[in-house]
Amino acid sequence: GQSLEQPSEVTAVEGAIVQINCTYQTSGFYGLSWYQQHDGGAPTFLSYNALDGLEETGRFSSFLSRSDSYGYLLLQELQMKDSASYFCAGTDSNYQLIWGAGTKLIIKP
Amino acid sequence: DVKVTQSSRYLVKRTGEKVFLECVQDMDHENMFWYRQDPGLGLRLIYFSYDVKMKEKGDIPEGYSVSREKKERFSLILESASTNQTSMYLCASTRREAPYEQYFGPGTRLTVT
Repeated sequence: GQSLEQPSEVTAVEGAIVQINCTYQTSGFYGLSWYQQHDGGAPTFLSYNALDGLEETGRFSSFLSRSDSYGYLLLQELQMKDSASYFCAGTDSNYQLIWGAGTKLIIKP
Repeated sequence: DVKVTQSSRYLVKRTGEKVFLECVQDMDHENMFWYRQDPGLGLRLIYFSYDVKMKEKGDIPEGYSVSREKKERFSLILESASTNQTSMYLCASTRREAPYEQYFGPGTRLTVT
């Protein structure tokens, strides 16, 4: 079956850089997406990697390596408002998203 | 501004009741999805729809049904609510083109007593 693995929790300090990894076991993913979800809120789209390499959007970057079945989300200059859960999700051939279980990012002052 | 709305933010129902959750999107998206989200389990797909009157089962369809009579509206029905259906229910919509970004509604927190 298809599955995505990511750490359940990551802790970092305000102003630092943090990387959230995502490994997947599947075939035929069109690409890898990342979503952010604050407590009590709905997931919101952060980025999408269709090709190998790094995509940068402001303080956030996302990386994909299809040969390694691996991706990561990199958050720079962490702010307290970045405290949230982050989900990786693969787009399959039916245009559905297969979701990881999410990583809770805890940021300390 | 894109928008997905859900009929209720909070809902409390009794065991055995029939429950209707409605989702409306104003982006003319072809695809619509219903998920439930429980702590530690991420988002699990219940049903999705590619087009009007089309529906496909997701990973956990048991105890649920759906209806899509109009492109903008996707309804989730719990035929006979049970306590294990207490959860957060999220609706989403997307186009059939990259980046396949899913736009979510605010969610309905359903409690079945």
